[in-house]
Amino acid sequence: DTEVTQTPKHLVMGMTNKKSLKCEQHMGHRAMYWYKQKAKKPPELMFVYSYEKLSINESVPSRFSPECPNSSLLNLHLHALQPEDSALYLCASSQIRWAPGQNYGYTFGSGTRLTVV
Amino acid sequence: DAKTTQPNSMESNEEEPVHLPCNHSTISGTDYIHWYRQLPSQGPEYVIHGLTSNVNNRMASLAIAEDRKSSTLILHRATLRDAAVYYCILVKNNYGQNFVFGPGTRLSVLP
Repeated sequence: DTEVTQTPKHLVMGMTNKKSLKCEQHMGHRAMYWYKQKAKKPPELMFVYSYEKLSINESVPSRFSPECPNSSLLNLHLHALQPEDSALYLCASSQIRWAPGQNYGYTFGSGTRLTVV
Repeated sequence: DAKTTQPNSMESNEEEPVHLPCNHSTISGTDYIHWYRQLPSQGPEYVIHGLTSNVNNRMASLAIAEDRKSSTLILHRATLRDAAVYYCILVKNNYGQNFVFGPGTRLSVLP
């Protein structure tokens, strides 16, 4: 299995709702990432998990709450979002460190397109 | 962090070669050069990477300048499926946790 699976593919939520995005990989990768991408812009890093522990939080507002329950799963819990949070949310995974000559990189999911109304 | 600059957009004709440039004049000796691309409605996908020597794989070739201040991604025969945003990223020490995407180059392929 060489994929990162994200669910749901599309999500519409109200500003008072609580919802969660899910990401799953079975490649044995021990680093997992959440990125946010607005239209016509590059992905922006939000969170990094290494060995199931949060290692990087890029000053993301607390209405976004990540969780890594095990080495294969990554969740992003959403609460009290604003319309400007509407975006494509991408999950990725990778090895922690790559050996020379190793064919590697980040593997991205196709994303969840979130609309906040 | 060392930054990269790329043209905002480029056009190519189908079945012709495409050379996508990337400038990284402040690159350090431990920075690896990675290329990713993002097809419409998909997440980014790995294309190729290198440190000093030119690299080839089934998707593309990477030509790295001798002083490493620039690199070029070469698609040997562009297809319509190659229309995407191409990102050049510097990764320090090949350590997997410092991916920062620049604006990238939007490649259009004309039939």
